[in-house]
Amino acid sequence: RKEVEQDPGPFNVPEGATVAFNCTYSNSASQSFFWYRQDCRKEPKLLMSVYSSGNEDGRFTAQLNRASQYISLLIRDSKLSDSATYLCVVNNQAGGGNKLTFGTGTQLKVEL
Amino acid sequence: GAVVSQHPSWVICKSGTSVKIECRSLDFQATTMFWYRQFPKQSLMLMATSNEGSKATYEQGVEKDKFLINHASLTLSTLTVTSAHPEDSSFYICSAQTGLNSYNEQFFGPGTRLTVL
Repeated sequence: RKEVEQDPGPFNVPEGATVAFNCTYSNSASQSFFWYRQDCRKEPKLLMSVYSSGNEDGRFTAQLNRASQYISLLIRDSKLSDSATYLCVVNNQAGGGNKLTFGTGTQLKVEL
Repeated sequence: GAVVSQHPSWVICKSGTSVKIECRSLDFQATTMFWYRQFPKQSLMLMATSNEGSKATYEQGVEKDKFLINHASLTLSTLTVTSAHPEDSSFYICSAQTGLNSYNEQFFGPGTRLTVL
């Protein structure tokens, strides 16, 4: 079983739609959680951290359920510029540093 | 935000040659630097973690003698792919972090695309 699992998509949605991505992780000792965005052939960029209480940043809402080891990302009023691959990332503290484990990503295509 | 650079952006080389990739934190001192690689349609996979002045810690399955990592200063880490072969062709990305807190953000470099012929 992969440490971080995501549906690869692609999700094709019209502009203005609301779309949600899910992610599950296997290590119950994981300490922190993130959503990254990766554009084609580019490096990943941090979109937002995910907190237990849930958090919102503009059109983006992230939720964490530690009991179910489940993370979600909701994008409202999607824009063409939201088209990218969204990476679910889990951080496990390793000796002397951190260790980010990436999911394979969910591809989103926002269309006119 | 903090800026991390990588050089070169892309490299094409013949099988058997060695390639060095540089990762620099431009406006901050990086306690720890990480090296990842990403094959097409796959997730980023951590190869190794390096702390300035000490030996890198390699992930299981990553050959330390093939992927040489040097972290000589708080702003520079290098990855050398020795005797590269076509199966080493990949997107290599570094990241840099200050501090050891699990909430310290890792800042990613733009990546180096290696193609071995």
